Amino acid sequence: LAKTTQPISMDSYEGQEVNITCSHNNIATNDYITWYQQFPSQGPRFIIQGYKTKVTNEVASLFIPADRKSSTLSLPRVSLSDTAVYYCLVGSTGTASKLTFGTGTRLQVTL
Amino acid sequence: GAVVSQHPSWVICKSGTSVKIECRSLDFQATTMFWYRQFPKQSLMLMATSNEGSKATYEQGVEKDKFLINHASLTLSTLTVTSAHPEDSSFYICSVSAVWGINTEAFFGQGTRLTVV
Repeated sequence: LAKTTQPISMDSYEGQEVNITCSHNNIATNDYITWYQQFPSQGPRFIIQGYKTKVTNEVASLFIPADRKSSTLSLPRVSLSDTAVYYCLVGSTGTASKLTFGTGTRLQVTL
Repeated sequence: GAVVSQHPSWVICKSGTSVKIECRSLDFQATTMFWYRQFPKQSLMLMATSNEGSKATYEQGVEKDKFLINHASLTLSTLTVTSAHPEDSSFYICSVSAVWGINTEAFFGQGTRLTVV
């Protein structure tokens, strides 16, 4: 399983765009990149998943360069409720595939 | 998406006793479920993979006799912490992975906070 590296923490003001970059130099050909969000005392929640280029859904965008050795989660116009820990995971998809969580990035949004 | 429910949400037990945590997949038949443990301010650590109808697969360093996992049906996996000690106090989370649209997503339970006194 590819190891991931993320900033430990980030701060942002409400209304700003937040970009969290994850490094995964050893990503394998069949690995996907998935981001999860976790609030205190709750289980993580899926945000977005991608393989290459750009993926966008109703809550975030995921940018993946051609070499796939990194990825950037982009949260547009964050609000206080986006304060959470964000995890970048890299691995093969499949319902029996294990997920390995790295340290995550603790995002603090303030007014 | 799949709905995963854990019970109880929190439990306090005395040192030396055993505690059972249930993980139910309410709307999805899961042949595989995963159990994680999370200490305060730390990341999730995978403990074991629960396989329906067969033995669980434990991660290195996780005692299988300490953390008993049973996955007797496609919708229920249980984790029993045997002879619990204060160092077992933690947040335990289960998950089920499912194909949802074009993605494979992990759906997590709300977690169980175990406090051993």
